[in-house]
Amino acid sequence: EPEVTQTPSHQVTQMGQEVILRCVPISNHLYFYWYRQILGQKVEFLVSFYNNEISEKSEIFDDQFSVERPDGSNFTLKIRSTKLEDSAMYFCASSEDGVAKNIQYFGAGTRLSVL
Amino acid sequence: AQKITQTQPGMFVQEKEAVTLDCTYDTSDPSYGLFWYKQPSSGEMIFLIYQGSYDQQNATEGRYSLNFQKARKSANLVISASQLGDSAMYFCAMRGHYSGTYKYIFGTGTRLKVLA
Repeated sequence: EPEVTQTPSHQVTQMGQEVILRCVPISNHLYFYWYRQILGQKVEFLVSFYNNEISEKSEIFDDQFSVERPDGSNFTLKIRSTKLEDSAMYFCASSEDGVAKNIQYFGAGTRLSVL
Repeated sequence: AQKITQTQPGMFVQEKEAVTLDCTYDTSDPSYGLFWYKQPSSGEMIFLIYQGSYDQQNATEGRYSLNFQKARKSANLVISASQLGDSAMYFCAMRGHYSGTYKYIFGTGTRLKVLA
C-alpha cells in the first residue's frame, strides 16, 4: 500500500542551526502538507503546497520556515535557525486532491529535538 | 472559526467490548468533512474513517463506525470488539469545504487503553 515516507525519524540539532526535514509523498498525490505536534499537544497545521507553490500557511509558518519540492518526488521543510520551541514531531501529509473528501495521508513523522 | 472538541482525555475499555470516543465540532461552513486518525505509541498518524457532512449514512470501515449527529454537531467514533492493538491516541479532525482552506483542524485527542 502506498505510503508517505519521512526522513529522518529523529533529528537532534543545536539551537540556531538549520534543519531540513524530508518527505516523499504518495506518488499520484498533488497536495502536500506539513503539520507539527508539540509533545502532548494537538496536531497543528503549518503549510499546504500545490502546483509548486504555497497555497496556505498558518501563523506558525513564519520567515524561518520554507518548503520546497526540489524534484518530482521529494517535499522538504526547512527551518533556517531553529529555536527551542521548534522541538516537536513534524508530520508530512499528502492528498490526491484538494476538494471534497481530501483524505490526507500522513507519514510516520520526524521528531525534531532542539538543544 | 472552526473548532474540534474532544472532552475525554483518556478512556479504558475491556478487550472485545465496544467503545465510543466523543467528538464535537463547530464550523460555519455549510459543507465539511470529519476525520478520525489513530496515533499509536510509535507516533504515526493512521487514517481511520471519513464522514462528509452531506452523506446520508453514517460511515463505517470494518470495526470503526462514525455516529454522526449533524444537529448536535457531533461525530463520535465507535470501535466495536476492541483489541489490544487499538490502544492508542485517537484524534478527530475537520476540514471545511468552502472556507478556501485545505488544512485540517484537530482536536486534543483521546488516549484509549484496551485492557486484557
